[in-house]
Amino acid sequence: DGGITQSPKYLFRKEGQNVTLSCEQNLNHDAMYWYRQDPGQGLRLIYYSQIVNDFQKGDIAEGYSVSREKKESFPLTVTSAQKNPTAFYLCASSINRGFLGDYEQYFGPGTRLTVT
Amino acid sequence: EDKVVQSPLSLVVHEGDTVTLNCSYEVTNFRSLLWYKQEKKAPTFLFMLTSSGIEKKSGRLSSILDKKELFSILNITATQTGDSAIYLCAVEPSNTGKLIFGQGTTLQVKP
Repeated sequence: DGGITQSPKYLFRKEGQNVTLSCEQNLNHDAMYWYRQDPGQGLRLIYYSQIVNDFQKGDIAEGYSVSREKKESFPLTVTSAQKNPTAFYLCASSINRGFLGDYEQYFGPGTRLTVT
Repeated sequence: EDKVVQSPLSLVVHEGDTVTLNCSYEVTNFRSLLWYKQEKKAPTFLFMLTSSGIEKKSGRLSSILDKKELFSILNITATQTGDSAIYLCAVEPSNTGKLIFGQGTTLQVKP
């Protein structure tokens, strides 16, 4: 089955520890995205990558880091520098949109991170 | 600053009612507006709108875009309890590959 997988579904960490969230897709999509969702708020973009070995900061990149060494994978590390890391994290992917064509983003099931 | 605002933030209706959800936006070089439905986890795609005045329909759901007044509406007719979800509106500024999301509207449909 084609799709986006995120693991784990739930993650608990102590304050001060770095943690890496996994995102894998087998849709052959070029672009991948990480969002954070807090209660009562929409999705906010953390990082995105339109091609392998390249990524850009989104609106709330501070305290996070990413890598894009393979087309299928876009892991997100939540570092100890992130002040409020407890949130629901969603990964998405899409075909890289050129000047022609409109392609929506497909979302993974999310990882709920709790830091205490 | 680019922004997307949805209203109302929450809504409670009874089965069979018709609801209208609103999404207004201010973005530089608008490219498209998307609606997603989020039940428990992953948002699922509903519609993508790029042209004004052309209604998109899928069953009991429909949506239309007004690029002059910078808003879109999502209509759900004959609501069912399975329509209970968060409805997210997102806008893509031209050729950025990024989506800017609104806060979402939480819809609860009571039996």
